[in-house]
Amino acid sequence: KQEVTQIPAALSVPEGENLVLNCSFTDSAIYNLQWFRQDPGKGLTSLLLIQSSQREQTSGRLNASLDKSSGRSTLYIAASQPGDSATYLCAVAQGGSEKLVFGKGTKLTVNP
Amino acid sequence: NAGVMQNPRHLVRRRGQEARLRCSPMKGHSHVYWYRQLPEEGLKFMVYLQKENIIDESGMPKERFSAEFPKEGPSILRIQQVVRGDSAAYFCASLRGSNEKLFFGSGTQLSVL
Repeated sequence: KQEVTQIPAALSVPEGENLVLNCSFTDSAIYNLQWFRQDPGKGLTSLLLIQSSQREQTSGRLNASLDKSSGRSTLYIAASQPGDSATYLCAVAQGGSEKLVFGKGTKLTVNP
Repeated sequence: NAGVMQNPRHLVRRRGQEARLRCSPMKGHSHVYWYRQLPEEGLKFMVYLQKENIIDESGMPKERFSAEFPKEGPSILRIQQVVRGDSAAYFCASLRGSNEKLFFGSGTQLSVL
């Protein structure tokens, strides 16, 4: 059974700092891995999708890496801003129905 | 493109009543997923549907819960005889095709009194 773990559960940093969020998964037979952002009381916004054959994806100040063999992914946020404050969720898709298995998230607070 | 639309945003039911949650996927998306988020828990997969077909319902409770995605109209998640433990945020997501990004709606917060 696939399990996804995110560390740390919460993180507080000053504005401008670069930071890394970690995600690990137990079954390396994944279809893809996605990072999402969730703001309080709202739905999820997809940030980056890394297919199983890829090593990393970049979008603006965000960079996500995938090491399938070790079951790990990281989300790197450069020059953090208060607007980045949210919960970041990592999810892996298994083959077939592509249903996602989610971690519990990392709650990020960027202080001005 | 209006995105994934869910309604209502908030739904209050008394124990024993029925709850109907609606989801209209993004235009051009034929794959719909329902997820449930309990307080302090991660999102859990419930069901995956394509038009008129249930593809994977392995995350659905065996009783009281059902889902459909008719040829015309939104996808419906139906919970019969609700209990307090059904209180949660229910999210719908849609997908255009295989190995693409999943787009989520804003969710329906169900509260059972």
